[in-house]
Amino acid sequence: QVQLVQSGAEVKKPGSSVKVSCKTSGGTFTNYSFSWVRQAPGEGLVWMGRILPVYGTANYALEFHNRVTLKADISTTTVYIEVNSLRSEDTAMYYCAADPITGAKTQWYFDLWGPGTLVTVS
Amino acid sequence: QSALTQPASVSGSPGQSITISCTGTNSDIGNYNLVSWYQQYPGKAPKLMIYDVTKRPSAVSNRFSGSKSGNTASLTISGLQPEDEADYYCCSYAGSSILIFGGGTKLTVL
Repeated sequence: QVQLVQSGAEVKKPGSSVKVSCKTSGGTFTNYSFSWVRQAPGEGLVWMGRILPVYGTANYALEFHNRVTLKADISTTTVYIEVNSLRSEDTAMYYCAADPITGAKTQWYFDLWGPGTLVTVS
Repeated sequence: QSALTQPASVSGSPGQSITISCTGTNSDIGNYNLVSWYQQYPGKAPKLMIYDVTKRPSAVSNRFSGSKSGNTASLTISGLQPEDEADYYCCSYAGSSILIFGGGTKLTVL
């Protein structure tokens, strides 16, 4: 069973960048697609994008495609999200979530979630 | 892509049934059977409750069920219990490798 372990909380200045990691353990890394979902304080869940390590491809939600980069390192079974040009509205909990690949297709649901990484922009 | 529309809050008494609606468009919910529902307690990561509109992970109680009609998906919780009090989010595939969430619904068990 895959488990997701995320990097620790970050405090960043406006205009800077942040990189959050999500390391997997157990299971087969390339059998999953990994998405990033963020949640601002008191707000709802927002899907930011996803990466398929087996193909090295990424897709982004329209509102994030200019400021967010997703990467995957198969050798360390770790996925990353980098957010640039941070502003106060980016203060949120950032979750990585795993989506099983079945029949070479992602299933578009998340049965595994990381614990979240709090990013504060101030 | 706009967020799916959910009621901000619903409530029910223990033992009752409640239904949470999730309204999208014919570009997302109406076009794909890829709707999922998540339960979230304060300060915790979300938990998958329903996927592919009606399927339930083996560890999830059969008191939870999902359905869809047209552009609206629904989550029904029967035999409401105090531990069901949480936030619930719907989620749908919207084509072009894009996913969208609903705004969330706070369930209060009276």
